[in-house]
Amino acid sequence: AQSVTQLGSHVSVSEGALVLLRCNYSSSVPPYLFWYVQYPNQGLQLLLKYTSAATLVKGINGFEAEFKKSETSFHLTKPSAHMSDAAEYFCAVSHIGGFKTIFGAGTRLFVKA
Amino acid sequence: KAGVTQTPRYLIKTRGQQVTLSCSPISGHRSVSWYQQTPGQGLQFLFEYFSETQRNKGNFPGRFSGRQFSNSRSEMNVSTLELGDSALYLCASSSGMGDQGHNEQFFGPGTRLTVL
Repeated sequence: AQSVTQLGSHVSVSEGALVLLRCNYSSSVPPYLFWYVQYPNQGLQLLLKYTSAATLVKGINGFEAEFKKSETSFHLTKPSAHMSDAAEYFCAVSHIGGFKTIFGAGTRLFVKA
Repeated sequence: KAGVTQTPRYLIKTRGQQVTLSCSPISGHRSVSWYQQTPGQGLQFLFEYFSETQRNKGNFPGRFSGRQFSNSRSEMNVSTLELGDSALYLCASSSGMGDQGHNEQFFGPGTRLTVL
């Protein structure tokens, strides 16, 4: 069985500060991991994904995430937050041949001026 | 390329009624997945269709059903609506080919269902 835990339902940072959104996964098979972003009144958009190639994955809008097998983590970071980053972020897990993606509960990011 | 479209965007129904939601995937995509999003439960997987066949389903009661047509468009139906069915219903499409596990899903804007 697979599951995803996102630590912190709300995270608040100042503009220009580091963004760190935490995600831990559980999977009995090698996982594929994703980060999606959802802006108000919109669907989800893929930020980045890990598919067993490089452990440090770079995505859109300056975000990146590092896969750490020993910690079963896939935390999302961005060196400098922009006001436009305010949104809800979802970590998700799938696996080889999987037809189902499991999403975490989401973390809402607030960016203060 | 046009994105995933969902109709209607908003719906208000009363308990006991039934509802049908529609999703048109990106042209060329053959896989359509449905999710229910609520503040308390987050995003929960309902089912996934590929070439008119359901390949996987989540843990929802039989009141929730879906189908996919030969043009890949999909509908989901909820019968005997309950207050707890109020949610944002999201549809996502992907190519459905190869290792589906790592294929990116493209989401529509969702249908906001309110059950009174």
